[in-house]
Amino acid sequence: GDSVTQMEGPVTLSEEACLTINCTYTATGYPSLFWYVQYPGEGLQLLLKATKADDKGSNKGFEATYRKETTSFHLEKGSVQVSDSAVYFCALRSDKIIFGKGTRLHILP
Amino acid sequence: GAGVSQSPRYKVAKRGQDVALRCDPISGHVSLFWYQQALGQGPEFLTYFQNEAQLDKSGLPSDRFFAERPEGSVSTLKIQRTQQEDSAVYLCASSLYGAGVEQYFGPGTRLTVT
Repeated sequence: GDSVTQMEGPVTLSEEACLTINCTYTATGYPSLFWYVQYPGEGLQLLLKATKADDKGSNKGFEATYRKETTSFHLEKGSVQVSDSAVYFCALRSDKIIFGKGTRLHILP
Repeated sequence: GAGVSQSPRYKVAKRGQDVALRCDPISGHVSLFWYQQALGQGPEFLTYFQNEAQLDKSGLPSDRFFAERPEGSVSTLKIQRTQQEDSAVYLCASSLYGAGVEQYFGPGTRLTVT
């Protein structure tokens, strides 16, 4: 069945460091891909999405490119802030949303 | 309302008790989803409503789990004879229409079964 695999955390970085959180997927067909973020004490929020191959989703300085050839959707940010500390979930949608296990990100001031 | 709300936010149940978890979706949202998120895991789909119709309940882990949305707005997830493995955060999400558009998530109900 469809699945999502993302790098395990926690990931700890200093402020202004460069971030990459890896995500790969397995799916039949052509799913849409998402990154969700869960800030402490809050609900899941959609961070960005891409609906077809080579699309780039971006929001709040984060980017991810839908790579069909490598079945990947890695999340990147060039300079992280303390406020980016959260849990990040990669997900795909075929007939339903399937989430990865999440990656906890800690940003140190 | 401003967002999806869920109540209670925390629930502790003794093994064997029944629990009911409530979800108030965003006003006007046709579709409503329930997910179960175990500790250290991503959310897993449980069930999906379109208005009052339960279109997909393939993710419900056992017949102890039951969800309803009788008037097409508020939904209740009921778990009968709770077991320790039911301990998780239960998330509700709503969308304007269907599974193909953005889902807005509530803060979740953390259920602990002792």
